[in-house]
Amino acid sequence: ETGVTQTPRHLVMGMTNKKSLKCEQHLGHNAMYWYKQSAKKPLELMFVYSLEERVENNSVPSRFSPECPNSSHLFLHLHTLQPEDSALYLCASSQDLQPRPYEQYFGPGTRLTVT
Amino acid sequence: QKEVEQDPGPLSVPEGAIVSLNCTYSNSAFQYFMWYRQYSRKGPELLMYTYSSGNKEDGRFTAQVDKSSKYISLFIRDSQPSDSATYLCAMRETGGFKTIFGAGTRLFVKA
Repeated sequence: ETGVTQTPRHLVMGMTNKKSLKCEQHLGHNAMYWYKQSAKKPLELMFVYSLEERVENNSVPSRFSPECPNSSHLFLHLHTLQPEDSALYLCASSQDLQPRPYEQYFGPGTRLTVT
Repeated sequence: QKEVEQDPGPLSVPEGAIVSLNCTYSNSAFQYFMWYRQYSRKGPELLMYTYSSGNKEDGRFTAQVDKSSKYISLFIRDSQPSDSATYLCAMRETGGFKTIFGAGTRLFVKA
């Protein structure tokens, strides 16, 4: 595996379910990110981790809970979601929080549908 | 007012056309300007980046930044069907770690 991988690629869940999204980076990077991408809206930064410590929680509802057990893995735990949470969830990594040339490497995303 | 404004399109052009994609922004502290390309069912990938004002060229792609007007552009020369994708502009302050993205412009290049 190379780059940034995400599983599952597609997820359909009911509002009462609990599920988790997984991200793994094989680049030796120190910073990892969760973004939400909705149609015709800018990417929304949700969480930022640097060396396994959370450095940003961008006013995200508590039904989204991140976990970073080590610098290669990032999880997003989901529970009691709402239909408006349906979106593409992208994981990204970068060498450091302030890398040059500020490149983030993205995974392919998990397409989440909440019914 | 959004920090970054980008017309979502879609923009449809014939093969070989020159494509112009643009973003405006409101935060004068932005110093790093990036363009990402996102193919269908893939994550965004960095296409080009520039620091402060000026032009940068890479093959068929040219990125321009006009800080006085708070306006950035990406030009694609001799566009190809393989250029069909969503193009997202992105910006960051010096010393900051948050990248602010535009909504993305969907581009279709017809053969």
